[in-house]
Order: sequence, then structure tokens, then C-alpha cells
Amino acid sequence: GAVVSQHPSRVICKSGTSVKIECRSLDFQATTMFWYRQFPKQSLMLMATSNEGSKATYEQGVEKDKFLINHASLTLSTLTVTSAHPEDSSFYICSAGRDRGDYTQYFGPGTRLTVL
Amino acid sequence: KQEVTQIPAALSVPEGENLVLNCSFTDSAIYNLQWFRQDPGKGLTSLLLIQSSQREQTSGRLNASLDKSSGRSTLYIAASQPGDSATYLCAVEGVWDNAGNMLTFGGGTRLMVKP
Repeated sequence: GAVVSQHPSRVICKSGTSVKIECRSLDFQATTMFWYRQFPKQSLMLMATSNEGSKATYEQGVEKDKFLINHASLTLSTLTVTSAHPEDSSFYICSAGRDRGDYTQYFGPGTRLTVL
Repeated sequence: KQEVTQIPAALSVPEGENLVLNCSFTDSAIYNLQWFRQDPGKGLTSLLLIQSSQREQTSGRLNASLDKSSGRSTLYIAASQPGDSATYLCAVEGVWDNAGNMLTFGGGTRLMVKP
């Protein structure tokens, strides 16, 4: 089956620092990747759609200058949480779909971000 | 290791039918279970979240139940409509590396509601 990896799996940082999370499709190309966030006891919520070679599409209420997304290649999308604050502490997960009309999404293992 | 299975993988029904989607998980030590909808080429849309202490949640024509002890959840869709056609995913949130939570997704059920 298709594999999606995320790195790092866990990060703890000080308030004000920027954190980059990588999402890679290991054995397939993904034109589109999705970034999600889940706060404790809440549902997983879509943050943005990452499109290879073009700007990401952000969901309402998600600050594009706060959460920078770069989809530089067909196998890699990065999410950078800029000037992170404690309220950004959350579980971030990405997913990627194969092309060719296969709409199955393959999920990464997630990244736990804790901002002190 | 948690495993989540969804049955059936695909379902086609005529408009108006009530239907049930099934989700089973192997490890009952979960914090919650979530149901999502995915439209082709789009991200997931959260439908219902059931905490481990709850037995069901309802939203409109949707009702989700959770039987943690048996490792099962069902999503009931009443009076199905063509607009309900999508892939439905369930995911369980468990304990991960003693430090956080991990989501495990099922393979999804692709639903088609025919007019």
C-alpha cells in the first residue's frame, strides 16, 4: 500500500520559534496533499490543501501567513508554523492521494507539536 | 497495533434508503472515534466525533454509535440523497508513545446514492 511519512513525529519548542513539518509520499506522486490539525477532544479539521507548484488553498479561519505551506515537488509538502505560540500546540497530520483518479487518501502518522 | 476496518468498501443504494456503514477497531483503548466525509479530490470533512465515554452522536440525518467494548461503530444515514455520495472514513484516536495521541484511519466506504 501507499506510504506517507511525516517528520518530525514530535516536537517541543519555545514560544516564538518557527517549526517545519514535512510530509512525504514515499512510493507515489501526489499532486495534492492535505494538512489537518486536531486539538484535544476535538475533531480533526482541514487546514489547507497543498497543490504542487502553486499556492495552497486555506480553509476559512486558518491564517496563511501563520501556517506556510510549500509543495515543492510531487512527493513533498512542508508546513511551517511561524512564530509558534502555546495555542498552536496541536496534532498535525497530512494526507496525500495518488493521481489517476484514485481518490483514496493515505495518511501520515502525524506530528505532535508542543509550544512552551 | 491498532487496526481499523470499514465494511463495506463500496455501497450503492437508491435515493431515499436508510443505510448503515460499519467501522471496527482492534484495540478498545481509544479516546474517541470520528467519522469523516471525503469528496473526490477534496480534504476530509468532519461529520461526528464520539468521545470514548459516549455511545452515540447525532447530526441531522446522521447518527453514529460507538460500542467500545466490542470495537465497533456504525454510521447511520437516514433518507439518503444523491448529495450524500462520497467516501466515508472512520478514525480512532488512541494513545501514542506515552506522549500524545495517534489517529488510525479505516480504509473508507465509497457510497453512491442513485437518483
